[in-house]
Amino acid sequence: DIVLTQSPATLSVTPGDRVSLSCRASQSISNYLHWYQQKSHESPRLLIKYASQSISGIPSRFSGSGSGTDFTLSINSVETEDFGMYFCQQSNSWPWTFGGGTKLEIK
Amino acid sequence: QVQLKQSGPGLVQPSQSLSITCTVSGFSLTSYGVHWVRQSPGKGLEWLGVIWSGGSTDYNAAFISRLSISKDNSKSQVFFKMNSLQANDTAIYYCARGLRSFAYWGQGTLVTVSA
Repeated sequence: DIVLTQSPATLSVTPGDRVSLSCRASQSISNYLHWYQQKSHESPRLLIKYASQSISGIPSRFSGSGSGTDFTLSINSVETEDFGMYFCQQSNSWPWTFGGGTKLEIK
Repeated sequence: QVQLKQSGPGLVQPSQSLSITCTVSGFSLTSYGVHWVRQSPGKGLEWLGVIWSGGSTDYNAAFISRLSISKDNSKSQVFFKMNSLQANDTAIYYCARGLRSFAYWGQGTLVTVSA
């Protein structure tokens, strides 16, 4: 199975900061990498698909980059509503797998 | 609008089976696949399987011996069944619509495996 390693595990930031979250795959997954946000007691929400494609209704401050094994989710000027868990997911190889997550918290 | 609503038991006895129904609206099951994902504190998010628009299925090999996904297109319902549950199957189970990513999710079903 492809292992997705997310870092850091926890990121403490101040509203207005620019942040970058990392997701590294154990082998190349081309651009079949997707990002989700999850808040407590809610279902995950798709933020970015295929590494860099935007999703309708998602604020433009969220962007994604990368290909192969290294991927980044960037949030330009974090807002208070952005705090929560972030997960990456690959759909290049069966079984599809998720990363362990990064918790974005208020400093 | 697109919705997925899950229904199923919250408590399952060890060694028993789990059945969850995902009823969808706002789209046709003949056009989109529906996946099943679970989430637990110990194992995080795990992809379990999918039933595609044409009715074929793909399963996570780790669960293939005890997992079944089927559907009734006319009723807009997808059926999830997992056998021989143990304590480590305690998790929130989700259905989700998508091809390779999951844009729409059900509300989740918290399943506790306990006597």
